[in-house]
Amino acid sequence: EDQVTQSPEALRLQEGESSSLNCSYTVSGLRGLFWYRQDPGKGPEFLFTLYSAGEEKEKERLKATLTKKESFLHITAPKPEDSATYLCAGGTGANSKLTFGKGITLSVRP
Amino acid sequence: DTGVSQDPRHKITKRGQNVTFRCDPISEHNRLYWYRQTLGQGPEFLTYFQNEAQLEKSRLLSDRFSAERPKGSFSTLEIQRTEQGDSAMYLCASSLAIGGEQYFGPGTRLTVT
Repeated sequence: EDQVTQSPEALRLQEGESSSLNCSYTVSGLRGLFWYRQDPGKGPEFLFTLYSAGEEKEKERLKATLTKKESFLHITAPKPEDSATYLCAGGTGANSKLTFGKGITLSVRP
Repeated sequence: DTGVSQDPRHKITKRGQNVTFRCDPISEHNRLYWYRQTLGQGPEFLTYFQNEAQLEKSRLLSDRFSAERPKGSFSTLEIQRTEQGDSAMYLCASSLAIGGEQYFGPGTRLTVT
């Protein structure tokens, strides 16, 4: 069965304190690894897609990387507005079905 | 580009009643997906359409659930004889053809009392 595991479940950082969020996956026939941001009461917001091991993508203070078994979302010098839940998902079958992890709730204190 | 829209945003219903949700995808996106999300969990795949054809359904989608996408535009998700376990956020997403990233709507929060 396809599985995506994210750790830690929650992370509290001081503003400016860099860290990484982990996503490990066992998804047969993985076609893409997706990262989303979700604010309370809202739908997930697309951040990145990674397709092959070694690939990296950046957007502002965020950088996503991919290995054969894991993906990391690195947050550099976070700000309070980066506080949200970050979801990782594996895509299969032409990315028609996404298998999500439970998410990591990030809180950044000013 | 107005994004994916969903209606209603909130629905409170009594157990045993039927409910219907609507999703309007981003224009020109021919793939449309439904997910369900409960508190503290990631979204769970329910079903998806390419144009008007429903191509895959999760085993989570019991006989009480039905989804349609007439004419390949908007989609509806109906739940018959609602149960308290159906209480969740129902999310819709859309994408361009094969391999495209999925863009989510704001969701419909269902509460079954």
